[in-house]
Amino acid sequence: QVQLQESGPGLVKPSETLSLTCVVSGYSINRGYYWGWIRQPPGKGLEWIGSMYHSGYTFYNPSLRGRVAISVDTSKNQIFLKMNSVTAVDTAVYYCARFPGSGREINYWGQGILVSVSS
Amino acid sequence: QSALTQPPSASGSPGQSVTISCTGTSNDVGGYNYVSWYQQHPGKVPKLMIYEVSKRPSGVPARFSGSKSGNTASLTVSGLQAEDEADYYCGSYAESNNLIFGGGTKLTVL
Repeated sequence: QVQLQESGPGLVKPSETLSLTCVVSGYSINRGYYWGWIRQPPGKGLEWIGSMYHSGYTFYNPSLRGRVAISVDTSKNQIFLKMNSVTAVDTAVYYCARFPGSGREINYWGQGILVSVSS
Repeated sequence: QSALTQPPSASGSPGQSVTISCTGTSNDVGGYNYVSWYQQHPGKVPKLMIYEVSKRPSGVPARFSGSKSGNTASLTVSGLQAEDEADYYCGSYAESNNLIFGGGTKLTVL
């Protein structure tokens, strides 16, 4: 059974960098699939942040490109998200996700982690 | 890229059918057969209900079906049940390996 579990600080100050980790169990990242992040501001809809293949192919939401970096550590089966220069609009539940291809459907989700941006 | 357009709300009585639309452009919904639908109950993680326009993942009831015509995709829920009350989001592949979502539709079972 594939499981994804996000972790990281629940509170980040404006202008600082948001850093999240996703631990994947039940499936080896380097066997395939794309891995990435989705976010959902409180009471609002879903937004794709980006997706990455273990070999390095990475795709980002154009509206976030330049502020976001997704990486993986195949030895630890972990996925990472870094988002710099955060503001209050970046407050959201962040989900780790698995995709059969970038731009494709999400067939596995993490439980999500709420990150608030506030001083 | 703009978000896909969904009606903010939809409703139906138990046993009835309801259809939720998702309108995009030829650069996303109309150009690719990679439309997906997600069900989200309050406070819960979204669940994949339909992928590749009309395919159902294992475990999703056959009451849920998907289709597409031109730039508009649709999710139909037949034989509405109380537990179908939730928010529904569509998603689509967009140019250059991007994924875009609709704004969501709140389905109410009357």
